[in-house]
Amino acid sequence: KAGVTQTPRYLIKTRGQQVTLSCSPISGHRSVSWYQQTPGQGLQFLFEYFSETQRNKGNFPGRFSGRQFSNSRSEMNVSTLELGDSALYLCASSRPGQDSPLHFGNGTRLTVT
Amino acid sequence: KQEVTQIPAALSVPEGENLVLNCSFTDSAIYNLQWFRQDPGKGLTSLLLIQSSQREQTSGRLNASLDKSSGRSTLYIAASQPGDSATYLCATYSGTYKYIFGTGTRLKVLA
Repeated sequence: KAGVTQTPRYLIKTRGQQVTLSCSPISGHRSVSWYQQTPGQGLQFLFEYFSETQRNKGNFPGRFSGRQFSNSRSEMNVSTLELGDSALYLCASSRPGQDSPLHFGNGTRLTVT
Repeated sequence: KQEVTQIPAALSVPEGENLVLNCSFTDSAIYNLQWFRQDPGKGLTSLLLIQSSQREQTSGRLNASLDKSSGRSTLYIAASQPGDSATYLCATYSGTYKYIFGTGTRLKVLA
């Protein structure tokens, strides 16, 4: 069974540009969540989607947005990139239910110069 | 607002030792708590999930316990091996469709 796939693995962008990251969940998983990981702040929740609906959003500016498609694949977009957006962006998927563990992809390493 | 703390931040032990990693949380109204390991530059791998009604979960050399009333969970690793070297994170789920993660414990097992 294929795991969570995130593309691309690495990205280098300059300030002011925008970027789109992609996440394909494990087959059958309909919940997809996104996290930002930095050395200073650790793992911080960005947003969570289920059946194409955003159910929760973390404390990030509106430059961070996401969406989920009918096949459960998800994308997140960051506009007007800032140096502080440099981070590892992780996507996780799970089945519905409180007893379903999160399964993470290997992340996209974004560097903003 | 839930806050999750892990102590110690880093730990170095000789191979073969049994060790305990700690996770504390401020809000006991959780649905579950999950332990993960993260290897450098990689995503997180789920190790154990403990539901709020459970006291512990075991998988191989790993045992995780949960005490909601005191806001604590521990991850016990038996007979540690160099391959156990990684960062270990705990995370709580409180039914708001997001996990709150601890800051992690960086473990190094020396051969």
